[in-house]
Amino acid sequence: GAGVSQSPSNKVTEKGKDVELRCDPISGHTALYWYRQRLGQGLEFLIYFQGNSAPDKSGLPSDRFSAERTGESVSTLTIQRTQQEDSAVYLCASSSYSHQPQHFGDGTRLSIL
Amino acid sequence: AQSVSQHNHHVILSEAASLELGCNYSYGGTVNLFWYVQYPGQHLQLLLKYFSGDPLVKGIKGFEAEFIKSKFSFNLRKPSVQWSDTAEYFCAPSGGGYQKVTFGTGTKLQVIP
Repeated sequence: GAGVSQSPSNKVTEKGKDVELRCDPISGHTALYWYRQRLGQGLEFLIYFQGNSAPDKSGLPSDRFSAERTGESVSTLTIQRTQQEDSAVYLCASSSYSHQPQHFGDGTRLSIL
Repeated sequence: AQSVSQHNHHVILSEAASLELGCNYSYGGTVNLFWYVQYPGQHLQLLLKYFSGDPLVKGIKGFEAEFIKSKFSFNLRKPSVQWSDTAEYFCAPSGGGYQKVTFGTGTKLQVIP
């Protein structure tokens, strides 16, 4: 069946521009996570959605970062006024419930010039 | 606050050597435990999981992990590693209910032929 889908797969943009990253989770998965993975480093938690509960935004690094999720479907991660340190792979994962195994997308590789 | 600690950041082994990667967590009460693996150029995938029952769980590719409640540990083991096990390994505990999963910083394993 279909897995977690992320788009775009690659994004190159100039410093100061806004970017929007999209995640389509597996249908029926109530939990959705966004992570950031810088080159050669581990996963950095950004935000967690669980059903209709208020999202856990504790990992967002600054107010330039925001994310939305409509119900239990698609989510978008928006980065405003991008900086070079935002360059990374942004990963989305979903699971049927928060404590079930996560299924990861292929990520969006973001490069800020 | 919930936390997870992976003690080894980078491990280098020769083929056929035994492997043990440490993972300690700070959750009290119910805990669900995962190990994920990221092979070079691939996305994260589940290696094994523990929810309840037998504390020794077996995963894919000959990996196993033991849940020791008294030590708050969930160490990953493999009796004899192969070159194809070269990857990054992440321990990821979760509390009960709808608590989010927290990823450790990861351990890079390099297996030398």
